[in-house]
Formats: sequence, C-alpha cells, structure tokens
Amino acid sequence: DTGVSQDPRHKITKRGQNVTFRCDPISEHNRLYWYRQTLGQGPEFLTYFQNEAQLEKSRLLSDRFSAERPKGSFSTLEIQRTEQGDSAMYLCASSSASGTNTDNEQFFGPGTRLTVL
Amino acid sequence: KNQVEQSPQSLIILEGKNCTLQCNYTVSPFSNLRWYKQDTGRGPVSLTIMTFSENTKSNGRYTATLDADTKQSSLHITASQLSDSASYICVVSARDSSYKLIFGSGTRLLVRP
Repeated sequence: DTGVSQDPRHKITKRGQNVTFRCDPISEHNRLYWYRQTLGQGPEFLTYFQNEAQLEKSRLLSDRFSAERPKGSFSTLEIQRTEQGDSAMYLCASSSASGTNTDNEQFFGPGTRLTVL
Repeated sequence: KNQVEQSPQSLIILEGKNCTLQCNYTVSPFSNLRWYKQDTGRGPVSLTIMTFSENTKSNGRYTATLDADTKQSSLHITASQLSDSASYICVVSARDSSYKLIFGSGTRLLVRP
C-alpha cells in the first residue's frame, strides 16, 4: 500500500495521559500536514512540514501539542496532559511541493481517532 | 475571514436518484476548490479539483461546477448508489497559502435502497 498510513487507528486514554500518533506519508511527498476533525465538522489545519522543517503552526496547536518530522519522512504528533476536549480524529496528509496549485493535492491518511475519558 | 459554507447539512435520497450539494466560499485570493468524499471513520478522498479558469469538472457520476464570480460551487451526483453514502466536503485554498486548506463542515449524504 503506497498511500498515507497512520498509527494507531484508535486510541483511548485517560485525561492527563500523554499520547503519540505516527504518520507515514507517501514516500515521494515532501510536505506533510496534520489536521484535527471533530464530529460533524470539516478538518481544521494544525501544522505542516516541508521536509523536516515545521513551517507553520495553527493557533489551535496549544503548547501541549508538539509535532516532529525528524528525517523528513514520517511524522509524530504528541499530545501531553490530554484533556477531554482533545477527543477528535487526527488526520495526516501529504503532498509534493510543485509549481502548480493543482499538483499540490493533499492525500489523506485514515486518521487516528482519539477518545479521552 | 476565509470561510467555506455548505448546504444542506444532511440529505437523504433514494438509490438511483440525483442530488446536488452546494458550497459558498469567501476565500480570497482564490486558488482552487476541491470536493472530497469522506466515508465514516476514514480520511477524505479527493473527487475533483478546479482552478479559477475552470467552471466544470467531472469524475464518473460526480460533476462539480464553479462560479468564481459568485464564489459558489456545486457537486452533482447522478444515479446515486448506496456506496455514495458519505460526507462530501468542499475545500478551498487561497493563492497566498495554497498549502492550507479551508474546509467546509460537509454535507452528510445517505442513500437509501
């Protein structure tokens, strides 16, 4: 399978615990994005990387959230001291940077559904 | 503020019928508009993408239209199938930040036999 993969698919944790999600993008894609999606809403942008550089972070990304892409391939999203409001689907997407906007299509992974009890 | 609004919020149709979903946006400067299909518990999958100069794009039974003057788009589904049951999300990107997609909240479509 050459699509975007995410692990785990589901995570249930207790409030206050730390969780870490992993995203493996399409191998030739140098851009990687994280989104959060709550029930009945569209995804909201959290952050994005070009290669290993984190180029933008949304105001939604509080200081309890940190994302890394150390070697410019896979990425991790960590949430520290989870709160019930963190319960959501966390989506990862990847794309290849190019000169045309239509080529910058983002391909999404299946998401990690987080439930904070 | 860049926003994307969709209607209706939800829709139920009988198998074989056609339907049209609407999207209005205020994103500026406009770069492109995409329609995604999202099955429950899955990530979104792109159906169509249109730039400023395109006013219609088809992908099988899905046909998207774009009116850049009125900032409106529609997604028409022909001869619906049970597998079309999903959320359909309109997504717009701005020219000055094309990597940052602005999502609508989606239309949840249910196709009944």
